[in-house]
Amino acid sequence: GAVVSQHPSWVICKSGTSVKIECRSLDFQATTMFWYRQFPKQSLMLMATSNEGSKATYEQGVEKDKFLINHASLTLSTLTVTSAHPEDSSFYICSPKEGGNTEAFFGQGTRLTVV
Amino acid sequence: QQQVKQSPQSLIVQKGGISIINCAYENTAFDYFPWYQQFPGKGPALLIAIRPDVSEKKEGRFTISFNKSAKQFSLHIMDSQPGDSATYFCAASMGSTLGRLYFGRGTQLTVWP
Repeated sequence: GAVVSQHPSWVICKSGTSVKIECRSLDFQATTMFWYRQFPKQSLMLMATSNEGSKATYEQGVEKDKFLINHASLTLSTLTVTSAHPEDSSFYICSPKEGGNTEAFFGQGTRLTVV
Repeated sequence: QQQVKQSPQSLIVQKGGISIINCAYENTAFDYFPWYQQFPGKGPALLIAIRPDVSEKKEGRFTISFNKSAKQFSLHIMDSQPGDSATYFCAASMGSTLGRLYFGRGTQLTVWP
């Protein structure tokens, strides 16, 4: 399978600060990037979809000014949680997808804890 | 609205037994049905997937059964092992949405020795 690197695997930050999560596709070009959020014992919820070089499309209820997504290259996408609050504490997972390939690959996830 | 409904929420199986997880969907435009395995603190990993033109697919101990008319599909894990203890998610996608996955709620499988 494809290699996806997501970093950091876990992060603790103070309320009000911003946190950046990186997702890299190491052996393929990710034309599309999906970002998911997963709360404990729950399913993955899609937050946003981005195509390389374009603005991200956010799901209903997800604040685009709070969750900034950058997909400037075919191998790197970032999710920045701005002005984080305790309710943003969750497990964030990226899923890069190569154009024309149905199979989705996932990063290892980032456990964000806001204190 | 949950696009893919998954059951049971949790499942306990004895080692060597068969684990069965079921999913149902409504949208007939779905054309790709994968199953993912997720261990605590890790991202999901693709286990096996099927398309609607096939009624069954087997890979090792894992089998997907697909019933297009009933809009249902299931995962069977034969000879379940303690190492299979994880959360399993079914999902569905359609080609028109660039592979966006709609996930079931997940099934927490525990295989005890």
